[in-house]
Amino acid sequence: GQNIDQPTEMTATEGAIVQINCTYQTSGFNGLFWYQQHAGEAPTFLSYNVLDGLEEKGRFSSFLSRSKGYSYLLLKELQMKDSASYLCAVMDSNYQLIWGAGTKLIIKP
Amino acid sequence: DGGITQSPKYLFRKEGQNVTLSCEQNLNHDAMYWYRQDPGQGLRLIYYSQIVNDFQKGDIAEGYSVSREKKESFPLTVTSAQKNPTAFYLCASSRDQGSGANVLTFGAGSRLTVL
Repeated sequence: GQNIDQPTEMTATEGAIVQINCTYQTSGFNGLFWYQQHAGEAPTFLSYNVLDGLEEKGRFSSFLSRSKGYSYLLLKELQMKDSASYLCAVMDSNYQLIWGAGTKLIIKP
Repeated sequence: DGGITQSPKYLFRKEGQNVTLSCEQNLNHDAMYWYRQDPGQGLRLIYYSQIVNDFQKGDIAEGYSVSREKKESFPLTVTSAQKNPTAFYLCASSRDQGSGANVLTFGAGSRLTVL
């Protein structure tokens, strides 16, 4: 079966750095997405990786290793507004998105 | 501003009633999707549509129905056949469904509670 694993919840301190991991087992691979979702709101797109390596976008970076079936989202200089759930999703060989359950990130002052 | 509008934001339903959730987009996107989100689970695809007058079942289509009569609109009906309809429903759209960098734009969601 197809599976996406990510930690259920993480806690970090304002101003610090946090890494949210995502491992996947899917039928084929056409890219990995990270979305941010504040409680009760719509998910919003953060990043897309299809090749191995690190993609940097401001305070957020996303890394992919296709051989290991592994990605992480790195958030630097954490702000209170970064408190949200972070969803990892993989596009399989049929271009269908397989979603992880999300990681709830709690930022403490 | 372009975006996706879902309504209503909150909806209460009695058992045995059908309800319809509205989803409208002005992004000129071809593909539209309905997802269901439950606590502790990933998003699950209910239905998707790549073009007007055509749609396909997702992983959990039983108890739901959709229509795509206009490019901008993709309403979802939750029927009385859906055994556990209480959930947060998300509508999304994208330029097309069959490409890798297929970024989804989501609506704000509709929370359905069955009393």
